[in-house]
Amino acid sequence: GQQLNQSPQSMFIQEGEDVSMNCTSSSIFNTWLWYKQDPGEGPVLLIALYKAGELTSNGRLTAQFGITRKDSFLNISASIPSDVGIYFCAGENTGNQFYFGTGTSLTVIP
Amino acid sequence: NAGVTQTPKFRVLKTGQSMTLLCAQDMNHEYMYWYRQDPGMGLRLIHYSVGEGTTAKGEVPDGYNVSRLKKQNFLLGLESAAPSQTSVYFCASRGIAYNEQFFGPGTRLTVL
Repeated sequence: GQQLNQSPQSMFIQEGEDVSMNCTSSSIFNTWLWYKQDPGEGPVLLIALYKAGELTSNGRLTAQFGITRKDSFLNISASIPSDVGIYFCAGENTGNQFYFGTGTSLTVIP
Repeated sequence: NAGVTQTPKFRVLKTGQSMTLLCAQDMNHEYMYWYRQDPGMGLRLIHYSVGEGTTAKGEVPDGYNVSRLKKQNFLLGLESAAPSQTSVYFCASRGIAYNEQFFGPGTRLTVL
């Protein structure tokens, strides 16, 4: 299967700090998605990106679709305790299949 | 509007037993997916369906079968469970126009 490399694996930050994580692939994707998963629940979509170079914001979250179509990043500004969770990137190819990264575990210290 | 629901939430099986996981969605979505999530490995696609009566293999299909007899339901079957199938299973659905998948709450399966 296609591998999505997500980094960092985990982050411990102070409340109020900005966060940045990224995802790279050996393959080109048509769509990049970013999800957040809370313990014991399914992933919830945060941001969807549909075009190379696209920069999209959702509140304090900003994500970009890399121009090579092989990478994407997610930034969270002014982190708050409820940002704690695991963040996943996902890429979609022309075969209607989604491939997920291994996740970034975020801990926010009040 | 319940979204995507999964039953059961938890299950413990013995090696060799069979079971079926049920996923239901009330959003009239065409596409449905079954994933497994293991520690440190993210979500991996098992099987998916692009419409009623259709199924296709994903990244890790071995040991699983699926059926989509009704548009709103997607069943995942394990004919002979193995310890390697201990995992958390997530179902997801999406409409045709968007690539936004909606996930169910998951089923935690342990095979002893």
